[in-house]
Amino acid sequence: ILNVEQSPQSLHVQEGDSTNFTCSFPSSNFYALHWYRWETAKSPEALFVMTLNGDEKKKGRISATLNTKEGYSYLYIKGSQPEDSATYLCAFDSNTGNQFYFGTGTSLTVIP
Amino acid sequence: DVKVTQSSRYLVKRTGEKVFLECVQDMDHENMFWYRQDPGLGLRLIYFSYDVKMKEKGDIPEGYSVSREKKERFSLILESASTNQTSMYLCASSLMTGAVNTEAFFGQGTRLTVV
Repeated sequence: ILNVEQSPQSLHVQEGDSTNFTCSFPSSNFYALHWYRWETAKSPEALFVMTLNGDEKKKGRISATLNTKEGYSYLYIKGSQPEDSATYLCAFDSNTGNQFYFGTGTSLTVIP
Repeated sequence: DVKVTQSSRYLVKRTGEKVFLECVQDMDHENMFWYRQDPGLGLRLIYFSYDVKMKEKGDIPEGYSVSREKKERFSLILESASTNQTSMYLCASSLMTGAVNTEAFFGQGTRLTVV
């Protein structure tokens, strides 16, 4: 079992605050790092798939960075809105197998 | 619009029953996965399949089996349901490019309660 860790486990922020959270993963056998957003009563949906060291991806107010050499990725949300409330999952995709290795997620609550 | 569909949103079963959870995807994906999600534990992989009739154990296969007779359908079977299998079950699929996955697409989840 590969160890993928996310921190913090949960986060409460005020509307308008910016926030970020971390995903740590093994630095060996790396192929890709995925970020998913999982809103209550919905299915997890992919935000980003990142494959290159130094990659930065952006979708609206959400962005992510990737450091494969040290094994971490940051997800940033600028100017949080209540609709950003969700659990954010990262998943490590190694080049040695077919499966994803998910972290336990960061639960974000944005207070209006 | 791509779709992964799970047969039931909510299910209540009795201890000892044989339970079938069905998942169908319409994207012609090679890989299909079954996860369970429990508070504080994240998504844990039960089984996955990378081709028809092929399956591999994930991290927590005990008490479960799977079947993949057609590419689009992946079934999870609880041979004899127990209360500790009460959980949210998520099915997912992904495309293989070379030896690795593209993003996963998830079903809506089945909340199973075993009484």
